[in-house]
Amino acid sequence: QKEVEQDPGPLSVPEGAIVSLNCTYSNSAFQYFMWYRQYSRKGPELLMYTYSSGNKEDGRFTAQVDKSSKYISLFIRDSQPSDSATYLCAMSQAGTALIFGKGTTLSVSS
Amino acid sequence: DVKVTQSSRYLVKRTGEKVFLECVQDMDHENMFWYRQDPGLGLRLIYFSYDVKMKEKGDIPEGYSVSREKKERFSLILESASTNQTSMYLCASSFQGPGVYNEQFFGPGTRLTVL
Repeated sequence: QKEVEQDPGPLSVPEGAIVSLNCTYSNSAFQYFMWYRQYSRKGPELLMYTYSSGNKEDGRFTAQVDKSSKYISLFIRDSQPSDSATYLCAMSQAGTALIFGKGTTLSVSS
Repeated sequence: DVKVTQSSRYLVKRTGEKVFLECVQDMDHENMFWYRQDPGLGLRLIYFSYDVKMKEKGDIPEGYSVSREKKERFSLILESASTNQTSMYLCASSFQGPGVYNEQFFGPGTRLTVL
């Protein structure tokens, strides 16, 4: 079993839809959870960061971590065409390198 | 703003050539990383460095080497380029330590084509 699993999609939604992106992981020692967004032909940039379990909200974006299920989610409310990108989850233990998911490609149509 | 720059956005090389990819960061980060990104395979770590002149192998180091002579600069070297090294190469840097300091800042990437 891979350490981090992420459905590559592609995921296509109409503008205004709620989007749910997910990752599962196998290493129960992971404590730091991140979501990166990568636009076409650009490097990834950090979108959301969560430590341990719980929720974090930033505008239209909500990150959730369920450590008991080893499952993390990113929700995008009122999705916009500008949200069209690849979303990568990433996680790590304290002081170790990030482990990335393969990324989910999202397309939001107007 | 943190800035990670890479020497080239696009590069075309021939099989057998020695290729140098340069990365520079301006935030005094201790850690620097080189990844390659391929469709369906995601980001794969080639090498990373946690200090000047220090390097650690990542998941796919074969066919690559690295050099870190200065804190701000991390070079990836393809000793003898092969067609299966055609890929997007991404450099990243981060502070050391847990928590928010794990955040990696990425450069724009170099799309390398080996003919």
